[in-house]
Amino acid sequence: ELKVEQNPLFLSMQEGKNYTIYCNYSTTSDRLYWYRQDPGKSLESLFVLLSNGAVKQEGRLMASLDTKARLSTLHITAAVHDLSATYFCAVLNTGNQFYFGTGTSLTVIP
Amino acid sequence: NAGVTQTPKFRILKIGQSMTLQCTQDMNHNYMYWYRQDPGMGLKLIYYSVGAGITDKGEVPNGYNVSRSTTEDFPLRLELAAPSQTSVYFCASSYSWNSGNTIYFGEGSWLTVV
Repeated sequence: ELKVEQNPLFLSMQEGKNYTIYCNYSTTSDRLYWYRQDPGKSLESLFVLLSNGAVKQEGRLMASLDTKARLSTLHITAAVHDLSATYFCAVLNTGNQFYFGTGTSLTVIP
Repeated sequence: NAGVTQTPKFRILKIGQSMTLQCTQDMNHNYMYWYRQDPGMGLKLIYYSVGAGITDKGEVPNGYNVSRSTTEDFPLRLELAAPSQTSVYFCASSYSWNSGNTIYFGEGSWLTVV
């Protein structure tokens, strides 16, 4: 069974600071996804990473994928309060099953 | 612009009751999924389907059943509800692995078993 681990699980950071969320997975895959979930809401797609070395950026968020290390990162630059949410990574296996990490709950403090 | 639609949004069940969570998508996606999300946790795959007439178990299938008679619909049935099934349930769909498409989620169904 594919295992997906995220760290940290909880992250409290001040506005304006930078930080990185890590996503490790246990088996070979070159399909990695990042999602955002606001409290009481569904999941919203942020990034789709489809190959080794893929890098995607949207605003203050940048995601990258290293398939050899089985590692993806979500980097937050100059955090703002609106980024407070829970972030999930998910890995897609060849059976088209998405396996999700446990999530990183991010709180940005003014 | 409906996407993935789930009903009901909220439901309270008594122990031993049964119910069906409905899910429909209008994107002509081959793949459909049911996940559950326990408080403060990630999503666990209950069942999935790769197309009409084909379903398979995910990580946590016990206590649930599914069917996929059409491309659009993928209902999830809970038989003999137990408190351990108190959770938020998300239906989702995607096109195919090769297309690299992401997975689209419904709004979620909050289920409490008392």
